[in-house]
Amino acid sequence: AQSVTQPDIHITVSEGASLELRCNYSYGATPYLFWYVQSPGQGLQLLLKYFSGDTLVQGIKGFEAEFKRSQSSFNLRKPSVHWSDAAEYFCAVGLTGGFKTIFGAGTRLFVKA
Amino acid sequence: NAGVTQTPKFQVLKTGQSMTLQCAQDMNHNSMYWYRQDPGMGLRLIYYSASEGTTDKGEVPNGYNVSRLNKREFSLRLESAAPSQTSVYFCASSEGSRGHTDTQYFGPGTRLTVL
Repeated sequence: AQSVTQPDIHITVSEGASLELRCNYSYGATPYLFWYVQSPGQGLQLLLKYFSGDTLVQGIKGFEAEFKRSQSSFNLRKPSVHWSDAAEYFCAVGLTGGFKTIFGAGTRLFVKA
Repeated sequence: NAGVTQTPKFQVLKTGQSMTLQCAQDMNHNSMYWYRQDPGMGLRLIYYSASEGTTDKGEVPNGYNVSRLNKREFSLRLESAAPSQTSVYFCASSEGSRGHTDTQYFGPGTRLTVL
């Protein structure tokens, strides 16, 4: 069955430190991969997406993600975290042939001064 | 350009009551979606509409109905609310009609509590 796993329910990093949020997926076909961010009280906003080509994709707000087919992973990274990055982050997989996007359970990021 | 708007923002219902959640988008998008978000479970698709005049079931449609009133509006109706429907509901839209490859644009959500 298709699934998206975000192993970390929450992560705390210091402001200025680097960040990596993990995402693993289970899907037999070519995945369409997304990272969304949800700030408190807001809807989700797209950070970046990967369909094909270069496996390192750049997104908004200084985020990037790397697709590794051999590891079924699509981890999100940022070199230096800002306090405004505190939010919940969702990894998602779009399923070919249907209208379904599977979302992970989310990782809540806390940023300490 | 307001994007995707949802009303109401908060709602408390008693078991068995009915209500309609409203959603509208001003981006001329073809597709619209309703999701529910529960703690530890991410977002789950309730219903979607790939184009005006069409609707289809998603992952968790039981207890809900939808109407794609026109290209802009997509409403979600709970006919007889149950405590299991306590959740945060998000409406989203996307430009194309391919679903899985589209970037989705989300509204701010409706927090629903069923007592």
